[in-house]
Amino acid sequence: SQQGEEDPQALSIQEGENATMNCSYKTSINNLQWYRQNSGRGLVHLILIRSNEREKHSGRLRVTLDTSKKSSSLLITASRAADTASYFCATDTGFQKLVFGTGTRLLVSP
Amino acid sequence: GAVVSQHPSRVICKSGTSVKIECRSLDFQATTMFWYRQFPKQSLMLMATSNEGSKATYEQGVEKDKFLINHASLTLSTLTVTSAHPEDSSFYICSARELAGLTDTQYFGPGTRLTVL
Repeated sequence: SQQGEEDPQALSIQEGENATMNCSYKTSINNLQWYRQNSGRGLVHLILIRSNEREKHSGRLRVTLDTSKKSSSLLITASRAADTASYFCATDTGFQKLVFGTGTRLLVSP
Repeated sequence: GAVVSQHPSRVICKSGTSVKIECRSLDFQATTMFWYRQFPKQSLMLMATSNEGSKATYEQGVEKDKFLINHASLTLSTLTVTSAHPEDSSFYICSARELAGLTDTQYFGPGTRLTVL
């Protein structure tokens, strides 16, 4: 399977703490994207990082990409209860298709 | 921003019946739409890529005769689950890639929960 791996599978933190999720993938990529999914809902696009970029910020989100290690991380700073969701990385290998990682379920407690 | 809708949001059907799910790009044109399946607490698995005016490209292991895809216009793709069985119960999500988009972003629909009794 070409599916990426994410860790941890589940993460439980308190409001105000930072949450870090990691993603590893198997093939060369054009870009890597992070999505959020609330329970039973569709996906919300969070951020895209291209293969020639190493770090990207968007609000409280910080994404890093290490193509030599085929890995990426998503950092959510100062987490809120509303950040509770599943987070998926997805790689675009240049054939328009996205390959999703296994996901991290984040629980932020008030 | 770009919006993708799916209809219905939920469907319950009897085993052996066929179910059609619609995916529409509401404010943009999409030459390419994608259909994914997601089992509970699992990730999204790509089923097929749907190109307007041509046959869909199915991923390995996905039965094209069971999951019929039609992409008749630049704003509509349909997935028909034929002769549905309980093991087809899943969350089906579509996404669309904008025709003139300068980014590589796919816009996802809200999903359709299919339950086959």
